[in-house]
Amino acid sequence: NAGVMQNPRHLVRRRGQEARLRCSPMKGHSHVYWYRQLPEEGLKFMVYLQKENIIDESGMPKERFSAEFPKEGPSILRIQQVVRGDSAAYFCASSPRQGLYEQYFGPGTRLTVT
Amino acid sequence: GENVEQHPSTLSVQEGDSAVIKCTYSDSASNYFPWYKQELGKRPQLIIDIRSNVGEKKDQRIAVTLNKTAKHFSLHITETQPEDSAVYFCARGFGNEKLTFGTGTRLTIIP
Repeated sequence: NAGVMQNPRHLVRRRGQEARLRCSPMKGHSHVYWYRQLPEEGLKFMVYLQKENIIDESGMPKERFSAEFPKEGPSILRIQQVVRGDSAAYFCASSPRQGLYEQYFGPGTRLTVT
Repeated sequence: GENVEQHPSTLSVQEGDSAVIKCTYSDSASNYFPWYKQELGKRPQLIIDIRSNVGEKKDQRIAVTLNKTAKHFSLHITETQPEDSAVYFCARGFGNEKLTFGTGTRLTIIP
């Protein structure tokens, strides 16, 4: 049973470019969460999605950031017009279904903005 | 609010001794308390969790205790080994909602 998959593992973007981060949850998992981790810091919640629905986006910056989890395919976190402050590790986690709370993390995407 | 405080920020223990990390939370509605281990450059790995209807849970050398009245929970690692060296994060949640993480404890096991 494959774990949570994320790609790319490393992404370098110049200021002003767009970054697209992908997350495929574990098989059978319908809840997806995105977290951001700055160097030497903890994990900060960004957004919680179920298939075709954003459940909680209270941690998402109001501008430039968006997320989706379509009916088919991976969840995508999109950052437009990246700035140096966006450099971080972005982790995706998934959990099975309502009532099962465990969140399992993917390997992360390390975004570097130059 | 949903803040989580974690102490200590760094901890060094002799191999074979025990390590204890403590967290406090403020949201009374919290009902789920996981602990994650993160090695350098790796993903956070769920090592143990506890729900609010349980006071203690143990898995081999790892145990978690929860005091709902005082709103704190602790991770206990016994008979520590070098491979236990990592950063440990506590978190709190409510149901399937987001997790709020502590600031982490860097645990170093001294051989």
